[in-house]
Amino acid sequence: GESVGLHLPTLSVQEGDNSIINCAYSNSASDYFIWYKQESGKGPQFIIDIRSNMDKRQGQRVTVLLNKTVKHLSLQIAATQPGDSAVYFCAETPYQTGANNLFFGTGTRLTVIP
Amino acid sequence: NAGVMQNPRHLVRRRGQEARLRCSPMKGHSHVYWYRQLPEEGLKFMVYLQKENIIDESGMPKERFSAEFPKEGPSILRIQQVVRGDSAAYFCASSPLPDPKDTEAFFGQGTRLTVV
Repeated sequence: GESVGLHLPTLSVQEGDNSIINCAYSNSASDYFIWYKQESGKGPQFIIDIRSNMDKRQGQRVTVLLNKTVKHLSLQIAATQPGDSAVYFCAETPYQTGANNLFFGTGTRLTVIP
Repeated sequence: NAGVMQNPRHLVRRRGQEARLRCSPMKGHSHVYWYRQLPEEGLKFMVYLQKENIIDESGMPKERFSAEFPKEGPSILRIQQVVRGDSAAYFCASSPLPDPKDTEAFFGQGTRLTVV
């Protein structure tokens, strides 16, 4: 079955620095990936997504990179701010039309040091 | 347009009691998903429902757990005879379309169930 996991459980960065959060997946047929941010006591919040026919996608201060060769994706946050402190999850959907369940990784806790 | 509303936010039940978790999707959303999150872990898919129909319950435990999404009213996740291992945060998400590739699913704040 599908498997999504993260390399690092925690990450601490200085305010203003760039953050890179990594995620590995095992199903080469996975075709859609999402990054979520979850603040303490709240539900996951959509950040950015990417389809498997793309290598890179940029949003506001965030960039997602997808490397299908090694089944790896990353989330880059530019100029990290204290408000970025949260747990970040990657999630994927299986390669099935109409598939609705998301498979989440364990998560990486990002702490921004002022 | 209010977001996905879940209640209660916190629920404490004694072992053997029943827990009922409610989820009101966003207006116009007819697709509801339930996820469970254990401490320090990711969310695990439980069930996907449309109005009056269970579409995919592949993540639901075979016993004690049930879900419904009636024509009127919120979606309900019901856990009978709760055990300590049921303690977790339960999240509901809703979307206007079935395929997450076509539309974003919005999550509620979750219900934190504690079984004592």
